Amino acid sequence: DQQVKQNSPSLSVQEGRISILNCDYTNSMFDYFLWYKKYPAEGPTFLISISSIKDKNEDGRFTVFLNKSAKHLSLHIVPSQPGDSAVYFCAASGTSYDKVIFGPGTSLSVIP
Amino acid sequence: EPEVTQTPSHQVTQMGQEVILRCVPISNHLYFYWYRQILGQKVEFLVSFYNNEISEKSEIFDDQFSVERPDGSNFTLKIRSTKLEDSAMYFCASRITGGAFYGYTFGSGTRLTVV
Repeated sequence: DQQVKQNSPSLSVQEGRISILNCDYTNSMFDYFLWYKKYPAEGPTFLISISSIKDKNEDGRFTVFLNKSAKHLSLHIVPSQPGDSAVYFCAASGTSYDKVIFGPGTSLSVIP
Repeated sequence: EPEVTQTPSHQVTQMGQEVILRCVPISNHLYFYWYRQILGQKVEFLVSFYNNEISEKSEIFDDQFSVERPDGSNFTLKIRSTKLEDSAMYFCASRITGGAFYGYTFGSGTRLTVV
């Protein structure tokens, strides 16, 4: 049951350039979308979220864009830094339930 | 910065044995969760807990699993009779408010290996 999809298992970007991580979802009942970052041997760390009534949310170097009609969201990191190298999980939830459904993750490598 | 603390960091157990995974959520948080990640797979929801009762559970969370908040600070996950397929990273999480928008704080996880 792949309600949240991240079709790119990995991505490499040069330091200073933009990283764009993509996510697609199938459940139109989702109200919130979140991005988490995970380093090895650590738990996921919450990065940024967006409500389904918005199309953009920005926090420092991180911006999330939501296209509801396409059921697609993306995370932009500008400029990318080597410390951003991690696995990024797209996740979704809804007001009718509390759990968060995670995608499979995209491993980002930022090359110095 | 407040943390969610999980112990032990790694547990090895024989198939069929009971294990208890322990978590200390952030002290003023009210909502508690267990997730797991089997190696190479995605993070999966197990159970949510609020006001001393389970608020939601997944199909994975069958009768072999139970959760408890025994003393107002610890939050435990018990697996009664472990199976090989229970081998995974188990993450505890907590948050202060309801609503997924604000994200959880996750612990660093317990790696459970069933042999």
